[in-house]
Amino acid sequence: DGGITQSPKYLFRKEGQNVTLSCEQNLNHDAMYWYRQDPGQGLRLIYYSQIVNDFQKGDIAEGYSVSREKKESFPLTVTSAQKNPTAFYLCASSTQGGDEKLFFGSGTQLSVL
Amino acid sequence: KQEVTQIPAALSVPEGENLVLNCSFTDSAIYNLQWFRQDPGKGLTSLLLIQSSQREQTSGRLNASLDKSSGRSTLYIAASQPGDSATYLCAAETYNNNDMRFGAGTRLTVKP
Repeated sequence: DGGITQSPKYLFRKEGQNVTLSCEQNLNHDAMYWYRQDPGQGLRLIYYSQIVNDFQKGDIAEGYSVSREKKESFPLTVTSAQKNPTAFYLCASSTQGGDEKLFFGSGTQLSVL
Repeated sequence: KQEVTQIPAALSVPEGENLVLNCSFTDSAIYNLQWFRQDPGKGLTSLLLIQSSQREQTSGRLNASLDKSSGRSTLYIAASQPGDSATYLCAAETYNNNDMRFGAGTRLTVKP
């Protein structure tokens, strides 16, 4: 079945540690996105990528980094510079053109120890 | 910058009732507007997508409308069921951005 897989489902970060969230899709979508969701708030865009080897900052990119070496994969690293990393992280993908539905993974809950 | 608002934040209705969820946006220059469902601790599932040239979309008991001139969209749920209990989010994609702007959602509870 086609879809988006995020792992792990739960992740704990120690002070000063970098952690990486995985996102893999087999939908053959060109565009991929990372969103952060905090309780009672809408999703906020961290980074997006429209094509392999290219990505753009979203509204809240500080303290995060991404790579897009393969079409299927768009990992997100939460660096130690992100001082408030506790949130629910959602990866999404869509076809190019901007007129297509957004498909989401099941999310990763990141918490600070 | 596009801003999307959903009111109310929470809604509780008895089973069988028809209901309307509201979504408003500030920039009428949109590519499309999507409605999503999110269950607790899960990702989002796209319910309906309305293109900028359309006024409504229907899927089963769901009907979404779009009025760009007033900056509003509504999601109508007919004959609500307990299984409809979830958070419903709307998101608008504008011509000037390549990303979608999300509302904070309406948490719906349908009581048996």
